[in-house]
Amino acid sequence: DIQMTQTPSSMPASLGERVTISCRASQGISNYLNWYQQKPDGTIKPLIYYTSNLQSGVPSRFSGSGSGTDYSLTISSLEPEDFAMYYCQQYDSSPLTFGSGTKLEIK
Amino acid sequence: QVQLQQSGAELAKPGSSVKISCKASGYTFTSYYISWIKQTTGQGLEYIGYINTGSGGTNYNEKFKGKATLTVDKSSSTAFMQLSSLTPDDSAVYYCARVYYYDGYYYFDYWGQGVMVTVSS
Repeated sequence: DIQMTQTPSSMPASLGERVTISCRASQGISNYLNWYQQKPDGTIKPLIYYTSNLQSGVPSRFSGSGSGTDYSLTISSLEPEDFAMYYCQQYDSSPLTFGSGTKLEIK
Repeated sequence: QVQLQQSGAELAKPGSSVKISCKASGYTFTSYYISWIKQTTGQGLEYIGYINTGSGGTNYNEKFKGKATLTVDKSSSTAFMQLSSLTPDDSAVYYCARVYYYDGYYYFDYWGQGVMVTVSS
């Protein structure tokens, strides 16, 4: 199975700050990488698909990039509703696997 | 609007089975696969597998073969997952999710609210 390593596991940040979350795959995944947000109530929604494509309805302050084994999610200016958990997920190889998550916390 | 409504929390005894449901609305049910994902504090998010809602065909993560059985009732636009021979390690929140699988993209575009399954004697 492809292992997805997310860093950091938690990140204190301030409103308006620019933050970047990293995700490293144990082997190349050819940009087959998605990002999800999970709110404290458990609600999960997609943010970015295929590395850099913004899901419909997601604010443009979210962006994704990367290639090979290294990918990142950037939030350009944190809003109150962005404090949540974030997960990467690869679909290059079966089984699909997720990163362990990054908790974005208010500083 | 697309919605996936999952059944309520389950409390089950070790060795028993549970069957949880995921009722879809707001779209043509058979046009999208449904996947299931397990979430625990220790293991994070784990992919269980998917069901082709049109044909009933399934694909499982090897880890969950023999543990999870995915089925579908097209008449009610509902997907089901049965978990058998339950142990405390099966205690988790289980999500269903719609699979967007077009143009080379593959991601979970809508998720259910999650079902907590607790296995305890």
